[in-house]
Amino acid sequence: GAGVSQSPSNKVTEKGKDVELRCDPISGHTALYWYRQRLGQGLEFLIYFQGNSAPDKSGLPSDRFSAERTGESVSTLTIQRTQQEDSAVYLCASSLAPPMDNEQFFGPGTRLTVL
Amino acid sequence: GENVEQHPSTLSVQEGDSAVIKCTYSDSASNYFPWYKQELGKRPQLIIDIRSNVGEKKDQRIAVTLNKTAKHFSLHITETQPEDSAVYFCAASRPGNMLTFGGGTRLMVKP
Repeated sequence: GAGVSQSPSNKVTEKGKDVELRCDPISGHTALYWYRQRLGQGLEFLIYFQGNSAPDKSGLPSDRFSAERTGESVSTLTIQRTQQEDSAVYLCASSLAPPMDNEQFFGPGTRLTVL
Repeated sequence: GENVEQHPSTLSVQEGDSAVIKCTYSDSASNYFPWYKQELGKRPQLIIDIRSNVGEKKDQRIAVTLNKTAKHFSLHITETQPEDSAVYFCAASRPGNMLTFGGGTRLMVKP
């Protein structure tokens, strides 16, 4: 079946603008994760959704970052008043509900460039 | 919460040699330890994983070992090939929780 998809694949924006990044998880995956990966760096956890539970927002770096998820489907990550340090690849992943199977399937990412 | 440390951050080997990447974790309740490979410009993909009820798992040239007492696990790649060049991430999680990733190891295999 289809894997995790993300859009747009690339986004160039001006400092101070808001951006919305979209993630479509694998159908049936109740868990969804957002990560940030700066150039040459590791995976920085941002937020985690599991079913109808309250999301784990402990990784969001500031109140300019927020994310929503509609049921067990699409998620959007919103960055308000973008800064140059927000430039990175934003990766989304989904998995079946832990502890059934923790393997995370990653999307291709959205490369965000803030000028 | 869980903390995962990964070493080395970069590793260069000659084609045909073995490569070993090591990770330590802090949460003794963690029971699932996957390894992801990320090629340049691509998404991370699972290459092998191990659960806490076994000490070793092998898949062709790749093996993972787990020492629960010492809270460390390692990835072993034998007979390395240029296409093994990538960034490798280890991770750990306890039952019902999400993965915590290590900082990554950039492996370079020289032909």
